[in-house]
Amino acid sequence: EIVLTQSPGTLSLSPGERATLSCRASQSFSSSYLAWYQQKPGQTPRLLIYGASNRATGIPDRFTGSGSGTDFTLTISRLEPEDFGVYYCQQYGSSGFTFGPGTKVDIK
Amino acid sequence: VQLLESGGGLVQPGGSLRLSCAASEFTFSNYAMTWVRQAPGKGLEWVSTITGSGSSTFYANSVKGRFTISRDNSKNTVFLQMNSLRAEDTAVYYCVVVVRLLYWGQGTLVTVSS
Repeated sequence: EIVLTQSPGTLSLSPGERATLSCRASQSFSSSYLAWYQQKPGQTPRLLIYGASNRATGIPDRFTGSGSGTDFTLTISRLEPEDFGVYYCQQYGSSGFTFGPGTKVDIK
Repeated sequence: VQLLESGGGLVQPGGSLRLSCAASEFTFSNYAMTWVRQAPGKGLEWVSTITGSGSSTFYANSVKGRFTISRDNSKNTVFLQMNSLRAEDTAVYYCVVVVRLLYWGQGTLVTVSS
């Protein structure tokens, strides 16, 4: 079973700053099956990135996914006030999913 | 792709509930279907996956032996039969499919309480 670890637990940044979120896996897997989500209170998770680096429909280009093997990164180049929320990474496969514990992004 | 869950509600500990997820706008039988849950204030937890044909099923350890996933490809619907429910099963349950992208339903709330 693949275990995903996310860091930091919380990120407090000002609008316009760059955010770097990390997702580390306990074992290597294909980057084709790594996704990132944003979730706000009371809402369904919003898919941002799939296949490690592909933006989902309608996602602004300030969101960039990268990485391979066991280390993956979500970068938000210039934070906007609406980017607050919890960000989850996910490994998905034909026999199930694994989620990281999440990184909370607070906007100062 | 559209996914619409139903069947959530309030149930007593030890009780049962059956969730449904009606799918549309893709060839249902070609794709595995998955249930994911989120307890109040907690993170996302994978629950169960069923292959497109229904021949293989997979479960999280936390629900194995209590929950059963199934599907009816003639009705484009996937089910989650939940038995022996516990307070810790209280969560919003989402139906998810990977059709190149990952698509989620809006979720259905299950509350296990006396």
